[in-house]
Amino acid sequence: DTEVTQTPKHLVMGMTNKKSLKCEQHMGHRAMYWYKQKAKKPPELMFVYSYEKLSINESVPSRFSPECPNSSLLNLHLHALQPEDSALYLCASSQSGASYNEQFFGPGTRLTVL
Amino acid sequence: GENVEQHPSTLSVQEGDSAVIKCTYSDSASNYFPWYKQELGKRPQLIIDIRSNVGEKKDQRIAVTLNKTAKHFSLHITETQPEDSAVYFCAVTNAGGTSYGKLTFGQGTILTVHP
Repeated sequence: DTEVTQTPKHLVMGMTNKKSLKCEQHMGHRAMYWYKQKAKKPPELMFVYSYEKLSINESVPSRFSPECPNSSLLNLHLHALQPEDSALYLCASSQSGASYNEQFFGPGTRLTVL
Repeated sequence: GENVEQHPSTLSVQEGDSAVIKCTYSDSASNYFPWYKQELGKRPQLIIDIRSNVGEKKDQRIAVTLNKTAKHFSLHITETQPEDSAVYFCAVTNAGGTSYGKLTFGQGTILTVHP
C-alpha cells in the first residue's frame, strides 16, 4: 500500500461541535504531518509527528488537537472551530523526519465550519 | 524564518511550448528543494526535487536548476501538454537540525496549457 488515506472526505460542522479527522498510512513511514490549505494558497504546516512524538507545532490554536495513536495513524481533533477554519486539511507522511525524504500527501478532508 | 517567493503566479502557454517557473529563498542553510504539482481537487504530488550539492536534475520533460549563490531555483517543463495544467508549488527546507522535514512553500503558479 503506497497511499495516504484520509477520512472523511468532506465534513460540515457547527462552531460548537466536536469532530475528528483521521489519517492512515501503511508505508512504514515514521513522520506524519498535518497541513491546512486555503483555496488558491499553498499548504501551511500545522503539526509534525516524528516517531509518534509531536516534534513541531506551528503555533496552532488549541481548538486543533493532534494525536498519533501509533506509527500508522494520525488524528486531528476539532473543537469550537471558527468559520475561518474552513479549508482543506491535508495529511502527509515521509519515511522519517529527515528533510530529504519525499512527503506523500493524502487526498485531504474538505472542512466547512458554519 | 525562511521566505520563499515564486513567480509567475499564473502562466499560460500553447501546447508544445516550454514553461519556466522560478523561486527564490532567503535561508542560505536550506539544502533541499522539491517541486509539487497539484491538479484541481487533487492532492499535491512530488514531481522532481534537487539537493543543494547538485546544480541540475532532469526527468524526461521536467528539469530543475539550482543556483545556491543567488539562492534561486527553477522548474523547466518542455514540450508542454494539456495534462501539465495544474498549480505548481516550489518548496524549501533545511535538512539539518530539528527541521523534521518542515517545508516552506512558495505561493504557487497556475499553469494553463492550451491545446
